[in-house]
Amino acid sequence: QVQLVQSGAEAREPGASVKVSCKTSGYTFNSFDLNWVRQAAGQGLEWLGWVSPGSGNTVYAQKFQGRVAMTWDTSTGTVYLELHSLKIEDTAVYYCARLTSPRDYWGQGTLVTVSS
Amino acid sequence: DVQLTQSPSSLSASVGDRITITCRASQPVSFFVNWYQQISGRVPRLLVSSASKLQADVPSRFSAGGSGTDFTLTINNLQPEDFATYYCQQSYSQPLTFGGGTKVDVK
Repeated sequence: QVQLVQSGAEAREPGASVKVSCKTSGYTFNSFDLNWVRQAAGQGLEWLGWVSPGSGNTVYAQKFQGRVAMTWDTSTGTVYLELHSLKIEDTAVYYCARLTSPRDYWGQGTLVTVSS
Repeated sequence: DVQLTQSPSSLSASVGDRITITCRASQPVSFFVNWYQQISGRVPRLLVSSASKLQADVPSRFSAGGSGTDFTLTINNLQPEDFATYYCQQSYSQPLTFGGGTKVDVK
């Protein structure tokens, strides 16, 4: 079965960087795009961007351009989200998600806490 | 960017009620709207794709429709497991965007 398993919670100070991983299994890795979506506590969903391992493309939301990098390792079926110059307001749960129909698949979420 | 405005932002209802949530796009998005349900503490789950297509495991008390800029999600005979937050999302253009969410809680 399809699984997306994310790395554990991270704590960083403002200005630092964080890298979150999402290991996929149960499907052909290059066949589907993977998205990164975040959710601050009590807030809605915010899309950060996606990676397309099959085409080699990445698309980032303009809001995060310049301080986000999404990469992948085809050999392990893992995608990575790196966010730089962290701000307090980046504190959120970060999800990787395969936003497909008829089934979508989400990682369990990674809490990133930014505080001084 | 396409802005999605959901209304209401929250509503209180009782088991057995019929409720309707509206999602309005800031520009036409054809039928490229999906609806997600997020039960508190859980990851979101796709309920509806392409504006009106219920996913296979979604009960028939859910229905959805719309095109262009106006979309709706209706739940008939609300059940206890339906108390959750609902998000619309457009996949017509990048960046993908979500509505602000509609929290459905117990009256």
